[in-house]
Formats: sequence, structure tokens, C-alpha cells
Amino acid sequence: AQSVTQLGSHVSVSEGALVLLRCNYSSSVPPYLFWYVQYPNQGLQLLLKYTTGATLVKGINGFEAEFKKSETSFHLTKPSAHMSDAAEYFCAVNDRGGYNKLIFGAGTRLAVHP
Amino acid sequence: NAGVTQTPKFRILKIGQSMTLQCTQDMNHNYMYWYRQDPGMGLKLIYYSVGAGITDKGEVPNGYNVSRSTTEDFPLRLELAAPSQTSVYFCASRSLADKETQYFGPGTRLLVL
Repeated sequence: AQSVTQLGSHVSVSEGALVLLRCNYSSSVPPYLFWYVQYPNQGLQLLLKYTTGATLVKGINGFEAEFKKSETSFHLTKPSAHMSDAAEYFCAVNDRGGYNKLIFGAGTRLAVHP
Repeated sequence: NAGVTQTPKFRILKIGQSMTLQCTQDMNHNYMYWYRQDPGMGLKLIYYSVGAGITDKGEVPNGYNVSRSTTEDFPLRLELAAPSQTSVYFCASRSLADKETQYFGPGTRLLVL
């Protein structure tokens, strides 16, 4: 069965600093991996996804993530944080079953301070 | 396109009351999903549907019912509300062609007292 672990429920960075949000997964099949962002009082928005091919995936708003099979990780990074990046971020794995259900991590709340 | 819309945005229920959370998508997506999000937790799948007339249980279906009479609508029914159902509920949809990407609605915040 698939599962997702996000290390750190809260991360705080200074504006302009590197953002690193950690995600480790467990999957019995080659995984499809996702990062979603949730701004206050809004639904989830897809940031980026990995299915096959290049292991470094670029998403919206300057975010990127690297799939590392040996480490079973899919960490999300952004070189320079902006105040508008403050949100909750969810890592998810697709169960690759017939209905492609998503299994989510518990989420990481990112705070960006001046 | 409005995408995925959900109503109401917020509701307070008394224990034992019933209500229906509405979800509509205008993207002609076959697949639709209902999730709940509890504080400090990831989203948990309640029910999903692969097309009109076809639904199936997810991880946490107890206390809920769904129906899918049209492609666009996927309402979630709570028959006897309990405090444990206090949560934020998200509806999502995806197309047949794009197996990976789910599109989410803005959510319904439900408080059961």
C-alpha cells in the first residue's frame, strides 16, 4: 500500500531564503507523485507532478521537486521564498489503481517572514 | 469554466441533523472524489465515482452516502451528523485523458455541535 510522510508540520523561512519541504513516500509500484498547495480558505492547487521521465520536475511559481528513487523522496524546493508562498503544502502519491486515488501526506504549513 | 464548485462554504449542524454537500464540475470529467481534511491531517478519501451511476467507497465512508445521477454533480449526504464529522470537505474531479491530475473545489467547512 502507498503512504506519504511529510517531515515537519510547520516550516518558517525568511523572505528570500531557500524553501525546502520534505516528502517521503512508500509505494509498491513506480509512483506518481504530486505537490499541491492550499492558500487560506481555498481549495488545493496542483504545483507539480512526477509521472515518468526526468526526475527533476518544475512547477508553477518557481517551485521544483526531485524524485529520488533510492531515497524514496520527492522534496519540494524554491530558491528564494516570497511572502506570497505562505500556504499549506501537501505531498501525494497516486495509487496507480484503476481509479487513480490520491494518498496525501499530513501537510506542511509554510510561513514566510520579512 | 468555473471548474469545481462546492456549496455551501460553511455550515453548522446539530448532532443528528442531516445535510447534503453539493459538488458540481463543468469540465465534463468522468471521475469525481470526495475528501475530508481534519486539522493536522492529510486529505482522506470518502467516496469516489467513475461516472454517472457508479460510485465506490474510499478510506472513510462511514456516516456518508453519495449519488451520481449526472456527469456534473456528485453530492455528499450526511444522514445523522456527529461531532466526528466536523471537518473541511473537498470535492475533486479528473478527466479520463489526464489520469494523474485532480482538480479541487474550494471546500465546505462543516461544524457539528
